[in-house]
Amino acid sequence: SQQGEEDPQALSIQEGENATMNCSYKTSINNLQWYRQNSGRGLVHLILIRSNEREKHSGRLRVTLDTSKKSSSLLITASRAADTASYFCATDVAVDRGSTLGRLYFGRGTQLTVWP
Amino acid sequence: SQTIHQWPATLVQPVGSPLSLECTVEGTSNPNLYWYRQAAGRGLQLLFYSVGIGQISSEVPQNLSASRPQDRQFILSSKKLLLSDSGFYLCAWSRRGGQGTQYFGPGTRLLVL
Repeated sequence: SQQGEEDPQALSIQEGENATMNCSYKTSINNLQWYRQNSGRGLVHLILIRSNEREKHSGRLRVTLDTSKKSSSLLITASRAADTASYFCATDVAVDRGSTLGRLYFGRGTQLTVWP
Repeated sequence: SQTIHQWPATLVQPVGSPLSLECTVEGTSNPNLYWYRQAAGRGLQLLFYSVGIGQISSEVPQNLSASRPQDRQFILSSKKLLLSDSGFYLCAWSRRGGQGTQYFGPGTRLLVL
């Protein structure tokens, strides 16, 4: 399977702590994306990192990408109870000459619970 | 701005009954469109995607079908529902030629009894 796989499956922390989630994948990619899903809702795009980038920041989010290890991490700093959600990584698989298949491969997600 | 609509939000159907879920996108043209199913506590399973009117790619053989009668309309159908069709169905769109970022609708919760 070309799916990303998130680790851990579940993470429980206190408000103010940092949360780190990891994603591994199997094939060459054009980019890797992280999404968030609140219970019973659609997914919301958080951040995209291209295959030639190593780190990217957006507010309290920090994403790293190591293409040699085919892995990425999402760090949420100073977590809040409102960050409680499932977080998914998704890969845009690279085909010949860097073109895309036009679809994303999603992992099974990490369920993050932040306690007040 | 772009918006994506799905309806209904919740649906309870008996086994063997037909299904039609509709998804429409506003504020963009020629989008790529996607149907996903998500089982409780699981990841997303891509069911169908479309890069244009009448162009449908199926990812998983099943008793579901998809159609794209208009540029910004994507319909998921079944002639006879199975118990295993229960789940959370999500529609999404992405820009043609973009980086692949997908924008999701609110989802339809389907329960087949």
